[in-house]
Amino acid sequence: AQKVTQAQTEISVVEKEDVTLDCVYETRDTTYYLFWYKQPPSGELVFLIRRNSFDEQNEISGRYSWNFQKSTSSFNFTITASQVVDSAVYFCALILTSNRDDKIIFGKGTRLHILP
Amino acid sequence: AAGVIQSPRHLIKEKRETATLKCYPIPRHDTVYWYQQGPGQDPQFLISFYEKMQSDKGSIPDRFSAQQFSDYHSELNMSSLELGDSALYFCASSPGGSYGYTFGSGTRLTVV
Repeated sequence: AQKVTQAQTEISVVEKEDVTLDCVYETRDTTYYLFWYKQPPSGELVFLIRRNSFDEQNEISGRYSWNFQKSTSSFNFTITASQVVDSAVYFCALILTSNRDDKIIFGKGTRLHILP
Repeated sequence: AAGVIQSPRHLIKEKRETATLKCYPIPRHDTVYWYQQGPGQDPQFLISFYEKMQSDKGSIPDRFSAQQFSDYHSELNMSSLELGDSALYFCASSPGGSYGYTFGSGTRLTVV
């Protein structure tokens, strides 16, 4: 069975601190995609990154960086020098590619509070 | 670039009423997905359509039905609404697989 676990339900940090959101996934498929989405208080799901299972290169985009490690089935997300606008719920998600039109499996989300 | 359009953005209904949510996918996307996100919950898959045929089904109540039309837009019909149906309903579309998988802004349904 496929599963995404975000063990951190809620995190609070002071502005300008770095914060890492953990994500561990389970799947028996060898081909899959991992995602991170941000959900601000307004409710929309904002796409942050998509990574396929064959690409273990870490990625950096501005203050955001992602560490993908297949050996530990983890896809962690780090925000450097956090800002109040980063306050949101962050979802890690998994999609399998064995089916053409499969659904996304979300983790329970981590609510991030950035305190001024 | 065109995005996934959902309407309405907000909807308030009374218990036992019926609601219809609409989703207009990105042009040339042939697959549409519906998700339900309750308060404080993660989005849960309801149903998907590929080329106007139902392709997968999740935990969708029997009171809900959906279809995809010839122009690829999709509608989610919810009858005999209950208080527990209050949620954010997301539609997503893709051209197949995970690449280009795009969510709409959601419809917030409140049942009173």
